[in-house]
Amino acid sequence: DVQLLESGGGLVQPGGSLRLPCAASGFTFRNYAMTWVRQAPGKGLEWVSAISYDGAVIYYAASVKGRFTVSRDNSRNTLYLQMYSLRAEDTAIYYCARLNPHGAGSYSGYWGQGTLVTVSS
Amino acid sequence: QPVLTQSSSASASLGSSVKLTCTLSSGHSNYIIAWHQQQPGKAPRFLMTLEGSGSYNKGSGAPGRFSGSSSGADRYLTISNLQSEDEAHYYCETWDSNTRVFGGGTKLTVL
Repeated sequence: DVQLLESGGGLVQPGGSLRLPCAASGFTFRNYAMTWVRQAPGKGLEWVSAISYDGAVIYYAASVKGRFTVSRDNSRNTLYLQMYSLRAEDTAIYYCARLNPHGAGSYSGYWGQGTLVTVSS
Repeated sequence: QPVLTQSSSASASLGSSVKLTCTLSSGHSNYIIAWHQQQPGKAPRFLMTLEGSGSYNKGSGAPGRFSGSSSGADRYLTISNLQSEDEAHYYCETWDSNTRVFGGGTKLTVL
């Protein structure tokens, strides 16, 4: 079975940094693009970033560009989200998801259980 | 980039059917979308992809009571024989060359 397990969440002060790993299992990780999606408390889903299967192509939402960095280690089957200059509005549950190919694009086919990041002093 | 519009809430009675709508913005009416379900306190779960033709492909976890259809820029998720466990938020998702977009979500209440 496909499993995605996020970790690394916690309480961080404004301006601080945090790195979120997402450990993948149950599929050939190096063959799939991946994405990060977040959900602020009581709010809807917000796309954060996506990375191609080999890490060569990366996209970010405008709200995090320049502050967040996505990467992957295909030898460790792990996706990462490095977050810098964190703000209160970055407080959210962060989900990683596997992107399944569909036509010329892809959709979020499998989701992790999420990890909560709280930015507060 | 595309924008997805969903009603904030919907309700229907146990055992009845409900049709949720996700509307694509102008110029994006032929886009494929995905529907996701998020039950209270849980992570989202993929339900199906849905094309402008109305053709849909369900994920392995999506119950048989779930189906999709399309009309122009509208993408529909129909749930038949509503069960209590269908009470959840439902989100649509689409994608463009360098971005991904989610609708605001519809909270479905089963009466």
